[in-house]
Amino acid sequence: TQLLEQSPQFLSIQEGENLTVYCNSSSVFSSLQWYRQEPGEGPVLLVTVVTGGEVKKLKRLTFQFGDARKDSSLHITAAQPGDTGLYLCAGGGGSWGKLQFGAGTQVVVTP
Amino acid sequence: EPEVTQTPSHQVTQMGQEVILRCVPISNHLYFYWYRQILGQKVEFLVSFYNNEISEKSEIFDDQFSVERPDGSNFTLKIRSTKLEDSAMYFCASSPRPGTGTGNTIYFGEGSWLTVV
Repeated sequence: TQLLEQSPQFLSIQEGENLTVYCNSSSVFSSLQWYRQEPGEGPVLLVTVVTGGEVKKLKRLTFQFGDARKDSSLHITAAQPGDTGLYLCAGGGGSWGKLQFGAGTQVVVTP
Repeated sequence: EPEVTQTPSHQVTQMGQEVILRCVPISNHLYFYWYRQILGQKVEFLVSFYNNEISEKSEIFDDQFSVERPDGSNFTLKIRSTKLEDSAMYFCASSPRPGTGTGNTIYFGEGSWLTVV
């Protein structure tokens, strides 16, 4: 089983600060997806990265896939209280939508 | 925005009872999935389904579990004889294409919370 480790598990910051969440594995993934999950709801896809070294930006969120496709990071610039949530990374390797999820990073942004 | 809908949102059942969780995937999607999340643990893949048959399943998906698309719109997960450890949030998901690459989004429903007592 391919394992994805996310760090930190919990992050509490003030509005306006920057933060980075990491997702690491010893295995290679064909794609890496980042989701955000609110309490009592299903994960919502933020971005998919597939190429080693790929960088994608979604407003204040920057996602990077490691060159070896084993790790990824999510960087949030000037965090806002609306960014509060559980951020999950998930690795894809098969052809049938089987995703291997990390345990998640709980981000809390206080005003 | 189209969405995956799941019923019931919460079900409490006695150990040993059969449970059916229902899902209506997004209408033009062809690939369907069930995942589960035990409280405080990771989201885990259970099964993928395409063209009326299972494409891939995890070791969790044993003989107690089955999936079905009975009428062309619903996608169900049946647990034949529930155990305490089956208590979890069960997520249905669908996608227009197979795989997990760019351009293929897997859409998750809001989940069905199953409590086995």
